[in-house]
Amino acid sequence: GAGVSQSPSNKVTEKGKDVELRCDPISGHTALYWYRQSLGQGLEFLIYFQGNSAPDKSGLPSDRFSAERTGGSVSTLTIQRTQQEDSAVYLCASSGGGAGYETQYFGPGTRLLVL
Amino acid sequence: DQQVKQNSPSLSVQEGRISILNCDYTNSMFDYFLWYKKYPAEGPTFLISISSIKDKNEDGRFTVFLNKSAKHLSLHIVPSQPGDSAVYFCAASKYNFNKFYFGSGTKLNVKP
Repeated sequence: GAGVSQSPSNKVTEKGKDVELRCDPISGHTALYWYRQSLGQGLEFLIYFQGNSAPDKSGLPSDRFSAERTGGSVSTLTIQRTQQEDSAVYLCASSGGGAGYETQYFGPGTRLLVL
Repeated sequence: DQQVKQNSPSLSVQEGRISILNCDYTNSMFDYFLWYKKYPAEGPTFLISISSIKDKNEDGRFTVFLNKSAKHLSLHIVPSQPGDSAVYFCAASKYNFNKFYFGSGTKLNVKP
């Protein structure tokens, strides 16, 4: 499709397990962002990629969180040893290419529930 | 430290009337401001934006006003329609667009 896609759409896991979330940005978009939205909260910035490099990782909440992007396209966000407070919707957005960097296009999100 | 704030969690408006959503920010270095609309179980979608060199931007029924001295922006929707019912987020960034700061959102309900 033409939009940003994320998988899985929903993930239920047990505390202490690792999870991997995937984002497929719009083709040609060089910028990619990960956000987290906890219940009743706004979007919390996690990390920004330009191409394959991550100039800004300042939003990652702890060293249990990591992200990578390969081939300037697909990105994965990994949460190790999940905790209940990690439960949230994780949103990915991309921008760039001919549309400019100021407007982000968001995926539908991955709803993570840690039991 | 939340740099972008939306102090009204919800707003209810009658169809056909004006909806005014407000947003305040603390960082005078922000260069660009955006409004996003979000329906349940979907990602936010871009609505309208404004550069810090302007004080107004209009797109159809949607107008964004920026008051830099007050560090305040607002989104006006005229006339409001039931399909406008959604959560609205304001966001801000510097011109490098490395990082966007989002408010906590305002849930708009437009009553038929």
